[in-house]
Amino acid sequence: LAKTTQPISMDSYEGQEVNITCSHNNIATNDYITWYQQFPSQGPRFIIQGYKTKVTNEVASLFIPADRKSSTLSLPRVSLSDTAVYYCLVVRGNTGFQKLVFGTGTRLLVSP
Amino acid sequence: DVKVTQSSRYLVKRTGEKVFLECVQDMDHENMFWYRQDPGLGLRLIYFSYDVKMKEKGDIPEGYSVSREKKERFSLILESASTNQTSMYLCASSLPPRVDTQYFGPGTRLTVL
Repeated sequence: LAKTTQPISMDSYEGQEVNITCSHNNIATNDYITWYQQFPSQGPRFIIQGYKTKVTNEVASLFIPADRKSSTLSLPRVSLSDTAVYYCLVVRGNTGFQKLVFGTGTRLLVSP
Repeated sequence: DVKVTQSSRYLVKRTGEKVFLECVQDMDHENMFWYRQDPGLGLRLIYFSYDVKMKEKGDIPEGYSVSREKKERFSLILESASTNQTSMYLCASSLPPRVDTQYFGPGTRLTVL
């Protein structure tokens, strides 16, 4: 079971780039890395997923080094609306549900 | 736009009451999940269903049961509500074989007095 470790909280200002790192030292060969975003009083929302190297979409980028023991979610030029909790999930995509462990996430606060 | 809806955003019940939380998804997903979310504990899986009438216990099933009579609907039942079941309850669905890309509902904040 790939246990993940993330910072509990981070602070930033509008317009800055924010990088949130997730450690997953015992990641398995078939595991994917998935990030979710959760706004207050809402359910989590899938934002990005990757297996290795770099993935980019309209919301974020995900950087995964060659050893895959960590991953970094990068949010370019954050705004106040990016204030949320970000969860890193490491699991084999088609594995049994028993491997689903979301963890406690990283609370990002963006200030003016 | 894909959607997972939950019957109530806020619910207040009394200790000992039987409580039903309903979840409906319109994506034709076979997989559905119920989680509870508590401060400092993150999301914890209560039950998982991979098809109609099929269910599996998650990490914390005690005090809960579920019902999946139709593909689009997954119900969480608190047989006799207790104060330690006060929490945010989240429903999600996914398309097999994947369990890591889930669509979540808005959540139901349940208070048991």
